[in-house]
Amino acid sequence: GAVVSQHPSRVICKSGTSVKIECRSLDFQATTMFWYRQFPKQSLMLMATSNEGSKATYEQGVEKDKFLINHASLTLSTLTVTSAHPEDSSFYICSARTSGVSQRYFGPGTRLTVL
Amino acid sequence: ELKVEQNPLFLSMQEGKNYTIYCNYSTTSDRLYWYRQDPGKSLESLFVLLSNGAVKQEGRLMASLDTKARLSTLHITAAVHDLSATYFCAVDTGTGTASKLTFGTGTRLQVTL
Repeated sequence: GAVVSQHPSRVICKSGTSVKIECRSLDFQATTMFWYRQFPKQSLMLMATSNEGSKATYEQGVEKDKFLINHASLTLSTLTVTSAHPEDSSFYICSARTSGVSQRYFGPGTRLTVL
Repeated sequence: ELKVEQNPLFLSMQEGKNYTIYCNYSTTSDRLYWYRQDPGKSLESLFVLLSNGAVKQEGRLMASLDTKARLSTLHITAAVHDLSATYFCAVDTGTGTASKLTFGTGTRLQVTL
């Protein structure tokens, strides 16, 4: 099956710093990528949807200036958490799909801890 | 706002028993997915249901979709310990580039010996 990778798998940073998370589709072209956030023992919440070459569409309540998403190529999307604070600590998961296909493929996730 | 509710939220069952997890959703959709998540891990795809009446089976798990009732079920037959995990359903709404998944609340399954 299709493979989606994320890097890094874990990151610990100080409050106020910015963190970039990469999501790559390894063996297919991802026309659409999705970013989710999951707090402990909770469900996945969609943060934003990005289509290659377009600006990301953010879900209600997600600050676009804080969570910068770039989808510059068909195999790479990045999520940058700017000026991170402890409440941004969470498990971030990306997902990718290709045009015309319903199935989504999920990355292994990135655990962010902000001290 | 779309709501996707799973029932139960937590399920403790003995090995060898059968049980069903329910997923109810509040809008029209004929595309629904089931995923498994182990602690600290990402999602593993289990089933893709793309039409009313769709039924799929893999091992001890069987999923079905009733789009008229806005209900999907995940049936577990003769549970084994390895099935212990959290199970999520997710409803696909929108079309084309606007398509997105809304996840259910999750059901944490614990299979005891």
